Amino acid sequence: RKEVEQDPGPFNVPEGATVAFNCTYSNSASQSFFWYRQDCRKEPKLLMSVYSSGNEDGRFTAQLNRASQYISLLIRDSKLSDSATYLCVVNFGNEKLTFGTGTRLTIIP
Amino acid sequence: GAGVSQSPSNKVTEKGKDVELRCDPISGHTALYWYRQRLGQGLEFLIYFQGNSAPDKSGLPSDRFSAERTGESVSTLTIQRTQQEDSAVYLCASSLGPPRSEAFFGQGTRLTVV
Repeated sequence: RKEVEQDPGPFNVPEGATVAFNCTYSNSASQSFFWYRQDCRKEPKLLMSVYSSGNEDGRFTAQLNRASQYISLLIRDSKLSDSATYLCVVNFGNEKLTFGTGTRLTIIP
Repeated sequence: GAGVSQSPSNKVTEKGKDVELRCDPISGHTALYWYRQRLGQGLEFLIYFQGNSAPDKSGLPSDRFSAERTGESVSTLTIQRTQQEDSAVYLCASSLGPPRSEAFFGQGTRLTVV
């Protein structure tokens, strides 16, 4: 089993819709969780950290479920500019950031 | 500096040559990471530095790959006797280290081995 697993997609979603991604991780001792986005041929950029209580940043909501070992990202009122690959990232406590392979999202006009 | 800086941005080399890739992290960031990303693939962990020591170099694919870091500053990734399968984007990231470990990436070095 991979340490960090994501549905690769692609997710093709109409503009204005709500879309959600899940990511599962293998180590219950994991300490830190993040979502990054990566545009085509660009470097990954931090989208948001994920806190135990869940957190929201505008149209984006991240949640952590430690019992089931998954994190989620919800995007509301999706925009064309949200089209990207979304990477789930876990710090397993050894400070090595482990990346999922990413979920590709395309917002359709 | 304002962000993570990598050089060169592009490198084309002949098979069998050695290459050196450079990463300048954000000032004050103690942790530094190297990843490799092949076309259309996910990020592959190579090595992690805390200061100038490398607690985890498990991702280096072979003994042709080595990396070093000077203090909490610049890092170099060296690939000896390059092979075509080394062609990829090499990404460097830095972070403040524990407890806050959000990492910020440079724009990468696109390596093409011909």
